[in-house]
Amino acid sequence: GDSVTQMEGPVTLSEEAFLTINCTYTATGYPSLFWYVQYPGEGLQLLLKATKADDKGSNKGFEATYRKETTSFHLEKGSVQVSDSAVYFCALSVISGGYQKVTFGTGTKLQVIP
Amino acid sequence: NAGVTQTPKFQVLKTGQSMTLQCAQDMNHNSMYWYRQDPGMGLRLIYYSASEGTTDKGEVPNGYNVSRLNKREFSLRLESAAPSQTSVYFCASSEPDSYGYTFGSGTRLTVV
Repeated sequence: GDSVTQMEGPVTLSEEAFLTINCTYTATGYPSLFWYVQYPGEGLQLLLKATKADDKGSNKGFEATYRKETTSFHLEKGSVQVSDSAVYFCALSVISGGYQKVTFGTGTKLQVIP
Repeated sequence: NAGVTQTPKFQVLKTGQSMTLQCAQDMNHNSMYWYRQDPGMGLRLIYYSASEGTTDKGEVPNGYNVSRLNKREFSLRLESAAPSQTSVYFCASSEPDSYGYTFGSGTRLTVV
C-alpha cells in the first residue's frame, strides 16, 4: 500500500537557521504531495502542495519540490522563526473510488529557539 | 468563514459510557473523514464518507460508528468507551480533487 516516511524529530534549530525535513513516499498510483502544519492545540493546516513531478509548492517561505525519480518531497525554509515551531506532516493523496485517499507520515516536531 | 467545526473540544468519559462527536462543514465538500491522532503514530483513519449517503471503514474502525446525517454533518459515536480510545479526534473534509483536506480543530477525549 501507499506509505510516507519522514525524518523523526524533534528537530531543534536556532532562529534564522536553515530547515530541511526529509520526506519520501511509496505509492502505486501518481499521487499529489502535501505538507501540513499543526500548531499546538490546533488541527492540521495545509501548508503547501504539488500535484505533478518537478512542481514546487511554496507558502510562507517554505518550499518543497516533487521529485518523482527519488520519490521525495523534502520541506525547506531558508530562515526559520520562533513562530514556525510546530509539527509538520508530509502526506500523499490519490483519488480512489470518488474520494481523496490521504496517507500521512508520522510527523516531525520542529522547535525553534531564539 | 468557519470551515470545519467540531464539538466538543474536550471530553472526559468513564469506561463504558457512550458519546457522539459532532462535525459540520460549510464548504459544500462531498467527502468527510474521521481521524485519531496518537503520539508517535501520526493520524489514523477511522471512517470516511466519500459522499452523502455513504460511509466506509478506514484503518482503525473497531469500537466506533459513524453517521453521515446530511452533506454538512458527519458524526462519530463511541458506544462503549475504552481507555484505548483516549486520543485526539479530528474531522476533515475535501473534494475529490488534489487540493487537500480542511481539518477541524479537534476533540481531546480522555477515557478513565
